[in-house]
Amino acid sequence: QVQLQESGPGLVKPSETLSLTCSVSGGSISSHYWGWIRQSPGKGLEWIGYVYYSGSTNYNPSLKSRVTISLDTSKNQFSLELSSVTAADTAVYYCARDVGGWTVAGWFDTWGQGTLVTVSS
Amino acid sequence: DIQLTQTPSSLSASVGDSVTITCRSSQSINSYLNWYQQKPGKAPNLLIYAASRLQNGVPSRFSGSRSGTEFTLTISSLQPDDFATYYCQQSNNLPRTFGQGTKLEIK
Repeated sequence: QVQLQESGPGLVKPSETLSLTCSVSGGSISSHYWGWIRQSPGKGLEWIGYVYYSGSTNYNPSLKSRVTISLDTSKNQFSLELSSVTAADTAVYYCARDVGGWTVAGWFDTWGQGTLVTVSS
Repeated sequence: DIQLTQTPSSLSASVGDSVTITCRSSQSINSYLNWYQQKPGKAPNLLIYAASRLQNGVPSRFSGSRSGTEFTLTISSLQPDDFATYYCQQSNNLPRTFGQGTKLEIK
């Protein structure tokens, strides 16, 4: 059974880059799509984007200029970087397995527990 | 982006009741509407995908249906474990979008 675990700093300063890693256990990252979703009181659940095991990516246009999602198959991990953060980026960040990526099967069947990232000086 | 509007935003019910939550899409998404359950401090959990297909391991008291751009999640015979917040999500278009949630509370 695949399990996901997020890790990274819980506090990031404004204008800096938020960096999170999702470790995948119980299965290989070299299949499926792998995504990031965040949840804040103000905006609810927001899809950030995904990376495919081939390395191809797709991002939410609202964040596209600031987001990079990448994967490291040797470590069975994938990562999120969000640059130039502001207080509006404060949220719980989840990594998830995206069943279908760009296809209509783009639902999330496995999630990490989530990690709270606060943007504050 | 496709907007998903859930109604009601909250509701109260008793153990054993049947409840229905509605999610309306701003445009056609065919049947690519998915439902999640979220409990406080936990990640969302996939219940139903493609409008009516039950995810493995989800109790059969959960069901989903579609009528045009209106989708419903029905929980029959509510159990104590079912009191949570429910979200819809569309996977017909990018970017993926979610409804604002429906909080189901114990009466």
